[in-house]
Amino acid sequence: DTGVSQDPRHKITKRGQNVTFRCDPISEHNRLYWYRQTLGQGPEFLTYFQNEAQLEKSRLLSDRFSAERPKGSFSTLEIQRTEQGDSAMYLCASSLRASGRAGRETQYFGPGTRLLVL
Amino acid sequence: AQSVTQLDSQVPVFEEAPVELRCNYSSSVSVYLFWYVQYPNQGLQLLLKYLSGSTLVKGINGFEAEFNKSQTSFHLRKPSVHISDTAEYFCAVTGSSTDKLIFGTGTRLQVFP
Repeated sequence: DTGVSQDPRHKITKRGQNVTFRCDPISEHNRLYWYRQTLGQGPEFLTYFQNEAQLEKSRLLSDRFSAERPKGSFSTLEIQRTEQGDSAMYLCASSLRASGRAGRETQYFGPGTRLLVL
Repeated sequence: AQSVTQLDSQVPVFEEAPVELRCNYSSSVSVYLFWYVQYPNQGLQLLLKYLSGSTLVKGINGFEAEFNKSQTSFHLRKPSVHISDTAEYFCAVTGSSTDKLIFGTGTRLQVFP
């Protein structure tokens, strides 16, 4: 168990460019989550997957954002036409969702990708 | 809708002193409560969680928290802090109808020698 990994750890880009982040969850975890954390705030939910299916998207996730988990393993988060307001830490988490009540399992977080849009 | 309030944005404390970080939640349904710690330039690590049963929950690194339904609180405590406890602490909630975590704004614990 090597934990959740994210790549890159840091990304600097110019406004209007596209960026893509990758998340590799803990193996055998069927749930994968994306959160965004801005300075001085707690993480905010963006979207999550159960295997390859995207089950929920936050209203924070504008049309410029897209996330995929094509084979139910790693996931990518793409931001098109970046804006300065996209500057934030993007966190990925994974969990093993067993049957039963929602909300009980532990989410394990990666180190995050810090994005700076100039 | 669920929400979490962390009343203290910063808590300074001397080493070996006790500390309490406050968390209040709002929810109309059953909740599950979590405390995460974030060290500089790192992701979040689970300290402890309350799902059901005993209202006193013990976690890693000597931390514990008490679930108080009547006061809708889940305060985090440690009887004696170390310099290495300096970090950002986040309280979070999920519910029986959702798996996504709703976080508070965080409390920065600064431990001084």
